Amino acid sequence: EAGVAQSPRYKIIEKRQSVAFWCNPISGHATLYWYQQILGQGPKLLIQFQNNGVVDDSQLPKDRFSAERLKGVDSTLKIQPAKLEDSAVYLCASSLIWGFNTGELFFGEGSRLTVL
Amino acid sequence: AQKVTQAQTEISVVEKEDVTLDCVYETRDTTYYLFWYKQPPSGELVFLIRRNSFDEQNEISGRYSWNFQKSTSSFNFTITASQVVDSAVYFCAPRLRDTGFQKLVFGTGTRLLVSP
Repeated sequence: EAGVAQSPRYKIIEKRQSVAFWCNPISGHATLYWYQQILGQGPKLLIQFQNNGVVDDSQLPKDRFSAERLKGVDSTLKIQPAKLEDSAVYLCASSLIWGFNTGELFFGEGSRLTVL
Repeated sequence: AQKVTQAQTEISVVEKEDVTLDCVYETRDTTYYLFWYKQPPSGELVFLIRRNSFDEQNEISGRYSWNFQKSTSSFNFTITASQVVDSAVYFCAPRLRDTGFQKLVFGTGTRLLVSP
């Protein structure tokens, strides 16, 4: 079974530039998550989709971050304009459903962003 | 806001030693689930174990065991007879209500180094 695919693996940009990350979840997984992991910290949820609807985007900095999941399959996360503090690994994860006892998320390898 | 504390930043052991990773969290929730994830150098977070807050029986799964104490909000994880392949960063991640939504709240992680 194919895992969660993410691209690009690495990206270096100047501040104020824009960047986009792509994620393809495991086939059949209805729930998709984007996490931000700053060096030395645990992942922080940015946004959660259930099919193509947003469940939770309470921690997404909406003035510069946007995400979409068209057709309820793959997803893109965009940052525009980027700031130095956006340097992090952006992790995509998916799960079958989002219920009370679920929590087994399947993660991709992440996209490492460096903002200069 | 919910908070998860993993006080041990880094632990070094020699192969075959047992090692316990500590986790303490803050929550006002009465029922919830708790998880441990492993992040090897490849960066891909891997689900290890899940348990609920309303069953205080501690469990063992292979070389993994965990000790949950609801009264002290602690969820410690033990690896028995550690192996070099266990070297990774380990995250405690209770599923808690944060910013109005149920989500996995990750600790800052404990880096485990197992030497031959």
